[in-house]
Amino acid sequence: QVQLAQSGAEVKKPGASVKVSCKGSENTSTGYYLHWVRQAPGHGLEWMGWINPKSGLTNYAQKFEGRVTMTRDTSINTVYMELSSLRSDDTAVYYCSRDLGAPWGQGTLVTVSS
Amino acid sequence: DIQMTQSPSAMSASVGDRVTITCRASQGITNYLAWFQQKPGKVPKRLIYAASSLQSGVPSRFSGSGSGTEFTLTISSLQPEDFATYYCLQHYIYPWTFGQGTKVEIK
Repeated sequence: QVQLAQSGAEVKKPGASVKVSCKGSENTSTGYYLHWVRQAPGHGLEWMGWINPKSGLTNYAQKFEGRVTMTRDTSINTVYMELSSLRSDDTAVYYCSRDLGAPWGQGTLVTVSS
Repeated sequence: DIQMTQSPSAMSASVGDRVTITCRASQGITNYLAWFQQKPGKVPKRLIYAASSLQSGVPSRFSGSGSGTEFTLTISSLQPEDFATYYCLQHYIYPWTFGQGTKVEIK
């Protein structure tokens, strides 16, 4: 069964960037989309966008356009989500998920604090 | 953006109760709707896709219905493991948007 393993928690200062990785347990170059969803503490789920690991094609929520970049490295079955110009309201758990079905990564807490 | 409004935002129910959660879309989304369950500190889990299709492995007490702008998630007989927060998601138009969540608590 495919599993997704995300990188560890991060603490960043306002204005900095963070890059979260999501590594699949098997070949990522198949016909699915890898989505990123975030959840601020005590709040609901927010869809950020997706990347097609095979083609590299991306689709970002307009809210994050210009600040988010999703990339992939097929040689190591890993996708990345980089968020720049961090603000305190970017503090959240960031999840990757294959097609928003299964699996999901375990989540990565990103804390933005001065 | 399409707004997804869930009701109620929170509810108390007893084991064995029939529970219905509603999700309304600000514009028509045909059946491009999914339901997720999330327990505290856990990863979301998809229960329903295409408005009414049960995800493999999900108990049959969960069901979804609706089309267009109004959708429901029904739990026919609430079990102790069903106490959680439930979210709907529209994936008809970008950006995909979640409802604000419905927290189902023990009465």
